[in-house]
Order: sequence, then C-alpha cells, then structure tokens
Amino acid sequence: DAKTTQPNSMESNEEEPVHLPCNHSTISGTDYIHWYRQLPSQGPEYVIHGLTSNVNNRMASLAIAEDRKSSTLILHRATLRDAAVYYCTLSPYGTDKLIFGTGTRLQVFP
Amino acid sequence: DTAVSQTPKYLVTQMGNDKSIKCEQNLGHDTMYWYKQDSKKFLKIMFSYNNKELIINETVPNRFSPKSPDKAHLNLHINSLELGDSAVYFCASRSFTGGEAEAFFGQGTRLTVV
Repeated sequence: DAKTTQPNSMESNEEEPVHLPCNHSTISGTDYIHWYRQLPSQGPEYVIHGLTSNVNNRMASLAIAEDRKSSTLILHRATLRDAAVYYCTLSPYGTDKLIFGTGTRLQVFP
Repeated sequence: DTAVSQTPKYLVTQMGNDKSIKCEQNLGHDTMYWYKQDSKKFLKIMFSYNNKELIINETVPNRFSPKSPDKAHLNLHINSLELGDSAVYFCASRSFTGGEAEAFFGQGTRLTVV
C-alpha cells in the first residue's frame, strides 16, 4: 500500500491561510487522495478528496501536484475551531481501504 | 440523528476479560470498518465488511472477531484482553467502494485494559 508523509505539527494565526502539505510519492494512478480532520475527543471527519484536479469545497481547497506525488490542503482563513489533527489518506480505487498517514497537528492562535 | 454510533463510549476492564463494542450506521452504507487509534494518534485499519462480508482483515490477532449481523451493524468482540489492546476504537462506514466515497466515523470507544 502507498504511504503518506506529513509534518508532525504546524501553527497558524487566526484568519490567516494555512497550507498543510502531504507527500505520497508511491501513490498509484487510481488512488484517491482524501483529507480528514480529527477534533479533540472526536472521530475523524471528512474534509475533501480529489484524484488529479484541484478541488474546492466549503471547508477547504485541495491542490494536487501534477505528478500526484504530493498534495496540499488549504484552509483559506483559519479559525480557532480548525485546530485539529489533519490526516492525508489514500483510497485505492476498487478496494475498501482508507489508509491514514500520521497526521499534522494544527494549532491556531488568536 | 447520529449517523454512526458506537457503544459504549468508555470501557474499562481487566486483563483476560472478553468484551464487545457495538456499531450501528443509519446511512444505508454497504461498507463498514473498524479502526484502532493508539496513544500516538496513529489510525490503523483492522477490518472492513461489505454487505456483511469480511473484505479486509489487517494482521489483527484472532482474539479480535468482527461480526456483522446485517449491513447496518458491525460489532467487535475481543477475547482475552491484553494491556496492549488499550486504545480508541473507531467504527466507520462508506457508501461504496471505488475510492471516492467519504467515510463517516463514530465518536470512538476508549478501551482501557488494567
């Protein structure tokens, strides 16, 4: 299975953009890239996913490198409620697997 | 209405005991999972079921036995509990395989073995 690598932690100030990177150099052509986040004492929640093209939704944007070996989750304006662990995950097409990386703990300061 | 619900939320038990964790989803999804999250927050897939059929069994000791009575329920039974089984266990569901579907997670069951 392909793996993902993320920085252990990142910091941001409130209302500033945040770029959370993820490396997945062994990704295969049919693996979807998903991002989940986990707020304290809660289960992971879906943020966004993509395959090749950049994606936007109400929560965030996902920028996928042209070679697909890395991706970046973009929070356009961080709020205190965005403080969480963000997981970059891979979901191989045709399987049930959702493979989590080690996650990035995001701290947001007022 | 909670989409994926797990019971109990907390479970403290002694080594050697047998315990079960229950999971139910009301989303009509075909696929359900159990994940284990250790103290370092690493989420590891244990099992997945699709329409009551075991699909993934990821090198989990056979003391762990999932059971899916119907596609809305996936329970986890653990025999002869060990200290190393202490963790948070998450149940999740997805609508279909194919890579695109988002997963919905329960709130977790914190298991402490003493």
